Parts: sequence; structure tokens; C-alpha cells
Amino acid sequence: EDQVTQSPEALRLQEGESSSLNCSYTVSGLRGLFWYRQDPGKGPEFLFTLYSAGEEKEKERLKATLTKKESFLHITAPKPEDSATYLCAVQAAFFTLWGTYKYIFGTGTRLKVLA
Amino acid sequence: DGGITQSPKYLFRKEGQNVTLSCEQNLNHDAMYWYRQDPGQGLRLIYYSQIVNDFQKGDIAEGYSVSREKKESFPLTVTSAQKNPTAFYLCASTEQGVDTIYFGEGSWLTVV
Repeated sequence: EDQVTQSPEALRLQEGESSSLNCSYTVSGLRGLFWYRQDPGKGPEFLFTLYSAGEEKEKERLKATLTKKESFLHITAPKPEDSATYLCAVQAAFFTLWGTYKYIFGTGTRLKVLA
Repeated sequence: DGGITQSPKYLFRKEGQNVTLSCEQNLNHDAMYWYRQDPGQGLRLIYYSQIVNDFQKGDIAEGYSVSREKKESFPLTVTSAQKNPTAFYLCASTEQGVDTIYFGEGSWLTVV
């Protein structure tokens, strides 16, 4: 069964304390892996897309990496404004009349950065 | 600015009532989706549409209905048959040939 698991469920960091969030997945026919940031009561905001093992993407204090079984979102020297829920999703191929690709989402990691 | 607009932000449903959530996008995306988000659960797919006048059931379609009469619009109706409708609903879209899925700001539905 296609599945995405994120850990930890919640993380509290002091400002400047670097850490990593994990997204492990089992999926047949992985097309891509996505990271989103979601603030309370708002829709997910796109951060990164990763397609192949070894690929890395960076944006400000965030860096996403991908292996064949998991992805990490590294947060370097976080600030309080980085507090949010970070969602991971994978895109899997499944066959329909339209060749639709299915997205499977993890439950997220709630990050709190303390000043 | 291009984006996905959901309305209303907050909606209250009485028992036995149908309610409709609006989703409009000006990104010229072909595919549109409705997801439901509950605490502690990943996003679950309700319905999706790849082209106008066609849509497919997702994993939790029971008690919901949709239409796709225009490329830019994909409204979701939560019917009285949906027994546990209180949730955060997200509309999303993708461009053909591009994998990234983009989301609207979401709508809260509460049963009163």
C-alpha cells in the first residue's frame, strides 16, 4: 500500500537550533516528492519538488534532500517565523483513462521555534 | 496575481442541509481537486477533475458531489448524506505536464 510517514509529529526548537524533519515513503512508481508549509487555518504553500535520489533543493533556511526511501527537510538556524506545519507528499503513478497521478500526503510535522 | 480562490472561508451547516463550497482558479490549470483535512490525518482526496465536464471520485467521495462546467471553476457540494462533514476543505489544481499541486486557502465547514 502506498504510504507516507512523517516524523516527528511535533518539534520544538530554540531560535538558531538546526534540525531535520523526516518523510519516509513506500510507493510504486514514484514520480515526485513535494514539501509544503502550512500555517494554521491556511492552505499548504509549496516549497520544493524533488524527483530523483540525490537531488537537493534550497530556499533560505530550508534544504530538502531525497533518497530512494525518504526525504529530509533540513532547517538551519531557524527563526520564530519558521513555525508552521510542514507537509510531505509523494506523487505516484496509477493508471486511469486519463493517466492520472495520485498524490499521497503525510500527516505533517508541527514545528515551533522559540525566540 | 494568479491563484486559487476558495469561498466562503467559514461555513456552517444545519442538519439535513446541503452546502456548496466555491473554488475558482485563474492559473489556467487543467486539473482540479478537492481534499479534506482532519486533525492528525493526511489530506484525503474527495473528487478530482482532469478536464471540463468530467470528474472522478477520490477516496472519500460518499456524501459529496461536484461539477466542472468551466475550466476555472470546481464547486463542491456537501450533501446531507455526509454524516461527519466538519473539516477543513482544500481545493487544489495542477497544470498539465507539471507535477506540482497548488492549493487554495481552504474553507472551514462546521455542523451546527
